[in-house]
Amino acid sequence: LAKTTQPISMDSYEGQEVNITCSHNNIATNDYITWYQQFPSQGPRFIIQGYKTKVTNEVASLFIPADRKSSTLSLPRVSLSDTAVYYCLVGEGGYQKVTFGIGTKLQVIP
Amino acid sequence: DTEVTQTPKHLVMGMTNKKSLKCEQHMGHRAMYWYKQKAKKPPELMFVYSYEKLSINESVPSRFSPECPNSSLLNLHLHALQPEDSALYLCASSQGGGGPQETQYFGPGTRLLVL
Repeated sequence: LAKTTQPISMDSYEGQEVNITCSHNNIATNDYITWYQQFPSQGPRFIIQGYKTKVTNEVASLFIPADRKSSTLSLPRVSLSDTAVYYCLVGEGGYQKVTFGIGTKLQVIP
Repeated sequence: DTEVTQTPKHLVMGMTNKKSLKCEQHMGHRAMYWYKQKAKKPPELMFVYSYEKLSINESVPSRFSPECPNSSLLNLHLHALQPEDSALYLCASSQGGGGPQETQYFGPGTRLLVL
């Protein structure tokens, strides 16, 4: 499975756009890229998933360059409630093992 | 109903006790997962059940024993645990046969303390 690398922590002011980049140099052809959000003492929550180019939903955007060796989660206009740990996962369909990376702890500052 | 429920929310047990954690989902999902999460660490996969059959056991010690009585229920039986097993135990489910490409729905977890 492709190993992922993310920054351990990031700070941002309220109302700013936040971009968290995940590196996955060994991503395989069939691998999808998935991001989860986790608040303290809660289970992770799915945010977004993509395979290539750009994916957008109501909470975030995911940018994936052509070589797919990295991906960037973009959170528009963050609020204090976006303070959480964000995990990037890369894995192949049909293979069941799920490995979370270390995650990025995002602290939103008033 | 997009909820995964876990009981109990908190559990304190001695090293000689036997206890069970329970997880339930009614989304018709066919894969269910157990994770262990220590403080300030990412969740670590323990077991995966796919179509009610154990498909992945990540070399978990035998003092943890999973059980999937039916497609909606997942149990984790605990026996002779060690203090280092204290952690948040998370259950998750996904629609298909399992895997990182499937959206996983997580429960709130059971906070376990082993004395």
